Amino acid sequence: GENVEQHPSTLSVQEGDSAVIKCTYSDSASNYFPWYKQELGKGPQLIIDIRSNVGEKKDQRIAVTLNKTAKHFSLHITETQPEDSAVYFCAASGGSYIPTFGRGTSLIVHP
Amino acid sequence: DAGVTQSPTHLIKTRGQQVTLRCSPKSGHDTVSWYQQALGQGPQFIFQYYEEEERQRGNFPDRFSGHQFPNYSSELNVNALLLGDSALYLCASSSDRTQYFGPGTRLTVL
Repeated sequence: GENVEQHPSTLSVQEGDSAVIKCTYSDSASNYFPWYKQELGKGPQLIIDIRSNVGEKKDQRIAVTLNKTAKHFSLHITETQPEDSAVYFCAASGGSYIPTFGRGTSLIVHP
Repeated sequence: DAGVTQSPTHLIKTRGQQVTLRCSPKSGHDTVSWYQQALGQGPQFIFQYYEEEERQRGNFPDRFSGHQFPNYSSELNVNALLLGDSALYLCASSSDRTQYFGPGTRLTVL
């Protein structure tokens, strides 16, 4: 089955800095890669996703890049704000449409 | 438009008991998936329901069972609870491959 590795497990930045979270996947058949943000006491919220026919996607301060050859994808957050502090999960899915999640990155943005 | 809702929000049970968790999907969604999220981990897929039938199942024992109703809402049942079943149980609904999660039910087994 699919295996998703996510790094780092914890990321601490100053407000206004950029943050980058990286994930790798094992199944070359995976073709859909969502990212979720989970705040304390809440369920994961979809923030951006990318499909395998696209190399990069942006939505305001958030961008995701995908390298299918290397089987890795990354989340980039620019101009971080304290409200960006949360746990971020990457995931990968293929024909089954069931995502396999990484173990999460705890992002801490210091004011 | 209400998103995915789950009940109850918190639940405390003792070992050996049985529990039922409930989920109402987002409007327009016909597929419901259940996940278990242990502390400090990503969600782990339990099973998925579509057209009132279990369509896919993850690596969970038969103590975990479910049901989907004609209005697409769903239940997760866990029998013979173990201490290790303590976790956040998440429901996600979808109409295509994008899944939208509810707030979860925090289950504590003592």
